[in-house]
Amino acid sequence: GAGVSQTPSNKVTEKGKYVELRCDPISGHTALYWYRQSLGQGPEFLIYFQGTGAADDSGLPNDRFFAVRPEGSVSTLKIQRTERGDSAVYLCASRRDRDTEAFFGQGTRLTVV
Amino acid sequence: KQEVTQIPAALSVPEGENLVLNCSFTDSAIYNLQWFRQDPGKGLTSLLLIQSSQREQTSGRLNASLDKSSGRSTLYIAASQPGDSATYLCAVHSNSGYALNFGKGTSLLVTP
Repeated sequence: GAGVSQTPSNKVTEKGKYVELRCDPISGHTALYWYRQSLGQGPEFLIYFQGTGAADDSGLPNDRFFAVRPEGSVSTLKIQRTERGDSAVYLCASRRDRDTEAFFGQGTRLTVV
Repeated sequence: KQEVTQIPAALSVPEGENLVLNCSFTDSAIYNLQWFRQDPGKGLTSLLLIQSSQREQTSGRLNASLDKSSGRSTLYIAASQPGDSATYLCAVHSNSGYALNFGKGTSLLVTP
């Protein structure tokens, strides 16, 4: 596709529920990032994929968060037992390689009530 | 861990002014640095990518400079317009690790 696509754009869920957020990167981009952004803050790194493997998951806040990229393209961020503190905008980015620009999607706004 | 700071946090200027946004980082061993703009409720739009071997990059009215040794980058916006109003974010890609480390951004308002 022309850009990074994230779905859904908005998600409201009840505390304790499970959610999945999807990211479709730009075709041919092997590197994929997930970030989380709270109001008035810069994006906070969660996880980085190079191809199918998670090369760096040091930003995942706890074991309720998990991400996969089984075929090296689409990625899914999974959050179990959601808490109100998980409410934020979740951003996905992709890039062809380290030397090129990273491009971001429009984000998924997650609200846990 | 790479710490990125952006000053000022907010800036308001009249249309037509030239302005400079600042980004500083604690670890000078960087691979590259990228500037983004973010409009309210939107994702990030890439403005400029500057490699560690470069001193500056230009795109239209935007010019980004990089001084690795002092841990600083600046984004210069010439002849500002109301449409430039947005939050500007600096992201540093260190030699060690894969993450882009972001500052909190500078919120820019250009008034007509």
